[in-house]
Amino acid sequence: EPEVTQTPSHQVTQMGQEVILRCVPISNHLYFYWYRQILGQKVEFLVSFYNNEISEKSEIFDDQFSVERPDGSNFTLKIRSTKLEDSAMYFCASRKGVTNEQFFGPGTRLTVL
Amino acid sequence: AQSVTQPDIHITVSEGASLELRCNYSYGATPYLFWYVQSPGQGLQLLLKYFSGDTLVQGIKGFEAEFKRSQSSFNLRKPSVHWSDAAEYFCAVGPFGGSQGNLIFGKGTKLSVKP
Repeated sequence: EPEVTQTPSHQVTQMGQEVILRCVPISNHLYFYWYRQILGQKVEFLVSFYNNEISEKSEIFDDQFSVERPDGSNFTLKIRSTKLEDSAMYFCASRKGVTNEQFFGPGTRLTVL
Repeated sequence: AQSVTQPDIHITVSEGASLELRCNYSYGATPYLFWYVQSPGQGLQLLLKYFSGDTLVQGIKGFEAEFKRSQSSFNLRKPSVHWSDAAEYFCAVGPFGGSQGNLIFGKGTKLSVKP
């Protein structure tokens, strides 16, 4: 069964460093999302991406964040200068088309020291 | 404001007992409702979803949920819990479609199962 994959599973970085989180959505899906979950808190929406552009972003998704679909398979989230409060589990999700049934990847745990 | 409330942070049930996890939502449009399960160290797995039709929906792993529009609720149930059901359960709401489609999640209910 096709699934969303994410790499790495765990990333440790120093404050101020740039990180890139990678996702491979399900191959025939058209809509892509990033969410994050700070430890012990709820899953929060960051950004949605469709037709090679951002379709919506939350207040969390400030200028430090960017997304890209550099080729036909990868979907990346870049944090330009990480802060301690960026430590969280980051989930990628994708959806095929008309209905909003989103499939989630296993997540990348980001630890900022 | 759009929101999802899961009033129970942690529930413990005995194996073989029935289970009900509560979810209430506030959403401006017709909601598309979901239950996801997250096992430790794992991602979010979709258990079931509801948009329209029969208000009692069946999902995977023997779970079902009932939509009650008058109560803005979408409670998850299972008649007999198995030890492998121990996990965290998230209720979510979003639009049916559209180019955006961000889901709003509740804070989750952690389920523990006693032998």
